[in-house]
Amino acid sequence: AQTVTQSQPEMSVQEAETVTLSCTYDTSENNYYLFWYKQPPSRQMILVIRQEAYKQQNATENRFSVNFQKAAKSFSLKISDSQLGDTAMYFCAATYNFNKFYFGSGTKLNVKP
Amino acid sequence: DVKVTQSSRYLVKRTGEKVFLECVQDMDHENMFWYRQDPGLGLRLIYFSYDVKMKEKGDIPEGYSVSREKKERFSLILESASTNQTSMYLCASSSLAQIGSYEQYFGPGTRLTVT
Repeated sequence: AQTVTQSQPEMSVQEAETVTLSCTYDTSENNYYLFWYKQPPSRQMILVIRQEAYKQQNATENRFSVNFQKAAKSFSLKISDSQLGDTAMYFCAATYNFNKFYFGSGTKLNVKP
Repeated sequence: DVKVTQSSRYLVKRTGEKVFLECVQDMDHENMFWYRQDPGLGLRLIYFSYDVKMKEKGDIPEGYSVSREKKERFSLILESASTNQTSMYLCASSSLAQIGSYEQYFGPGTRLTVT
C-alpha cells in the first residue's frame, strides 16, 4: 500500500527561527515525486516545494528546503527564518503514477511573534 | 496562472438532500480530482477523472458520484446527503503535460454542513 505519514500533528516556532516538519512514505516504485503543500487558514492550498525521486540533490525554494533520504523513505521540510505568514497546515504528498496523489494527515504550524 | 474555482465556499444542506458541488478549471488540464479533508485524516481522494466522461474511484467513493461532461468542469454529487458527509471538499486539477512537475492545483474548497 502507498502511504504517506506525518507524525507531528502540530508544531510551534518563534519568528525568525528554523523549524523542520517530518514526513515518511512507503512505496516500492523507483520513480516518483514528492511534494509539500501549504494551506493557510481559510485560504487555498498551494505548492511549496517538489522533489523528484531520481534526483539526489535536495530541492530548495528560497527559505524552504527539503532533506530527501531515499533509502529511509524520508522527506522532511525545513523552513528557515520563519515568518508569521508561514502559519498554515502543511501537507506532505507523493505521486507514483503521476495521476493519483497520496497525502499525509498534515502538520499545523504556528509561527509565534 | 491556473485558476480552479468551486461553486460555493460554504453550503448547508439537510439530510437526504441531493447535493451538487461544482469545480471549474481554466488551464485545459486533463486530470481533475475531488478530495475530502477532515482533521487528522488529511486529504482523501473520492474520485478522479483523467478525461471527459472518464472517472475512477478513489479511496472513499461510497455515497458519492461524479460527472465530467466538459473538460473544464468536474462535478461531485452527493445522492442523499448524510451527516457523516459534513466536511471540507477540495477540487484539484493537473496535467500530464507538466512533465517534471505533476503539480496539483487546488480550488478554495467548499465547507459542507449536513444537518
